[in-house]
Amino acid sequence: DTGVSQDPRHKITKRGQNVTFRCDPISEHNRLYWYRQTLGQGPEFLTYFQNEAQLEKSRLLSDRFSAERPKGSFSTLEIQRTEQGDSAMYLCASRTGILGTGELFFGEGSRLTVL
Amino acid sequence: SQKIEQNSEALNIQEGKTATLTCNYTNYSPAYLQWYRQDPGRGPVFLLLIRENEKEKRKERLKVTFDTTLKQSLFHITASQPADSATYLCAFTGKLIFGQGTTLQVKP
Repeated sequence: DTGVSQDPRHKITKRGQNVTFRCDPISEHNRLYWYRQTLGQGPEFLTYFQNEAQLEKSRLLSDRFSAERPKGSFSTLEIQRTEQGDSAMYLCASRTGILGTGELFFGEGSRLTVL
Repeated sequence: SQKIEQNSEALNIQEGKTATLTCNYTNYSPAYLQWYRQDPGRGPVFLLLIRENEKEKRKERLKVTFDTTLKQSLFHITASQPADSATYLCAFTGKLIFGQGTTLQVKP
């Protein structure tokens, strides 16, 4: 257990529905990251926060995706109007440090299946 | 664009042998590289970080090298065990761009 928790672990939804994932990072970590991972691929960067500020968002992230970290603690990732191509594992990770060069602590992921 | 590549073919070795995994990168000069282990259905777990001014880093049976001229990092597991079977990922930059990972299978 890395100390990063994600909820739900599994989500099955129908195409067109909205889904929301939650991530609770390690409490003293100021940086929080979201990644997406499909079978046979490495984690693909989506976005990251330093405290409550969203500092970077992947150009691959469509407008249907939005992430928040309202009080600099937990974060949510929402996918609107889900498509079958959104089926993947969504990973959250956190770390501390100003330079952001430290190790990432990952949660166990939220697996999304869009039917 | 920045790119990091790992051998997508699975590596199968016999228990007790040394496993060597390769990570190549292009269009970037990272200040450091990180290596992670990922088991099926789980999140990646950090193993080692190596900086550009370090040629080699060791941790127990693990060894990582970093050749900035070749733009390559090698990850070695000595005296491999079946429990080492997993996917190994390399990554660089502050937001961590990951390679696709190499799956290692150690047979008893």
